[in-house]
Amino acid sequence: SQQGEEDPQALSIQEGENATMNCSYKTSINNLQWYRQNSGRGLVHLILIRSNEREKHSGRLRVTLDTSKKSSSLLITASRAADTASYFCATDDAGNMLTFGGGTRLMVKP
Amino acid sequence: GAGVSQSPSNKVTEKGKDVELRCDPISGHTALYWYRQSLGQGLEFLIYFQGNSAPDKSGLPSDRFSAERTGGSVSTLTIQRTQQEDSAVYLCASSFWDTNVGAFFGQGTRLTVV
Repeated sequence: SQQGEEDPQALSIQEGENATMNCSYKTSINNLQWYRQNSGRGLVHLILIRSNEREKHSGRLRVTLDTSKKSSSLLITASRAADTASYFCATDDAGNMLTFGGGTRLMVKP
Repeated sequence: GAGVSQSPSNKVTEKGKDVELRCDPISGHTALYWYRQSLGQGLEFLIYFQGNSAPDKSGLPSDRFSAERTGGSVSTLTIQRTQQEDSAVYLCASSFWDTNVGAFFGQGTRLTVV
């Protein structure tokens, strides 16, 4: 079964707009990670936020974590056509096992 | 190599045949993961290795699936008597034992059972 669930499942925006994706999970975690996948092959690690952190930035990416609500959000600012991809959240439980959600398919129109 | 290497990249097999998928993790990574992804879907967890041992095999779909890892490095995922529903992309990832640095993925093996 999946630990994380992303919302929305699909998102279409215009270039330059911001994209926000949400992730909810069920059990306690060590950290939460976001990955990107192009063309249904290998995933690329984007950013990791530890359970004792609330917000983290990396370039145009901003991640928040609310452990009381068991949720996280990924914000991509000033989106580009090249940001078109599927985005997945993954939770790392205390056993160091990574469990992924179903993903959000982002389409950025030029 | 610099990244996680999976082979073959594509495999077409006849229903009922056995297949073996290989994953070569990044050197020094003690954790290794296998996932399965059907078209347009999320990642389904299969199995996780820490060193040569597999603390969690709960994701293996049936007893036709098995995996091993030798020398704390290369891992093979074997599917016996393949069925059409086994068709998917099989993804391997590796990381240091402390996953607070994220995991690195291979490009996957696309398995098609005809």
